[in-house]
Amino acid sequence: KAGVTQTPRYLIKTRGQQVTLSCSPISGHRSVSWYQQTPGQGLQFLFEYFSETQRNKGNFPGRFSGRQFSNSRSEMNVSTLELGDSALYLCASSPGDRGTGLFFGSGTQLSVL
Amino acid sequence: AQSVTQPDIHITVSEGASLELRCNYSYGATPYLFWYVQSPGQGLQLLLKYFSGDTLVQGIKGFGAEFKRSQSSFNLRKPSVHWSDAAEYFCAALNYGGATNKLIFGTGTLLAVQP
Repeated sequence: KAGVTQTPRYLIKTRGQQVTLSCSPISGHRSVSWYQQTPGQGLQFLFEYFSETQRNKGNFPGRFSGRQFSNSRSEMNVSTLELGDSALYLCASSPGDRGTGLFFGSGTQLSVL
Repeated sequence: AQSVTQPDIHITVSEGASLELRCNYSYGATPYLFWYVQSPGQGLQLLLKYFSGDTLVQGIKGFGAEFKRSQSSFNLRKPSVHWSDAAEYFCAALNYGGATNKLIFGTGTLLAVQP
């Protein structure tokens, strides 16, 4: 099976712009989660989608949003980018059995200038 | 508040030596527990998991872990470290109840391996 695929791998944006990141989960996985990783804050949960419904959201401003499509692919969007949004954004998928664990993609490295 | 603590930010071991990385959790009830490894610029790879049963679990790459309820700990171990094990290791927990897959991560332990 192919793993979790995230595109693009690297992004450079300027303050005020918006960005959309894409994630294709492992085939058959219905849960997709997004995490932000920074040196200062570590790994922080952004949100989780299951069968196209957001079922949990982390403590991030409304500029961060996401969605999941019927084929389980997911996108996250960040509007009005700030310097502090520079981070590695990781997508993880799970089949839905919570004890299985999450399987992560390689991430999208976002740099905001 | 639920939390996961990794007391060691950075550890250096010699190749061939044994390894133990510490992890403590603070939850109302025993959560699902996981160890992940991350190489520079890469995503997280699941090493092993625990949610019930035998308190000694085996994972990939020769890693194992021991769950100790009395100490709220889930320490990662490897009997003989290889240079390729140099990476950052994250302990994570997931609520046993509920429907979400929200993981709480520790701050990570960076492992360096000396030749």
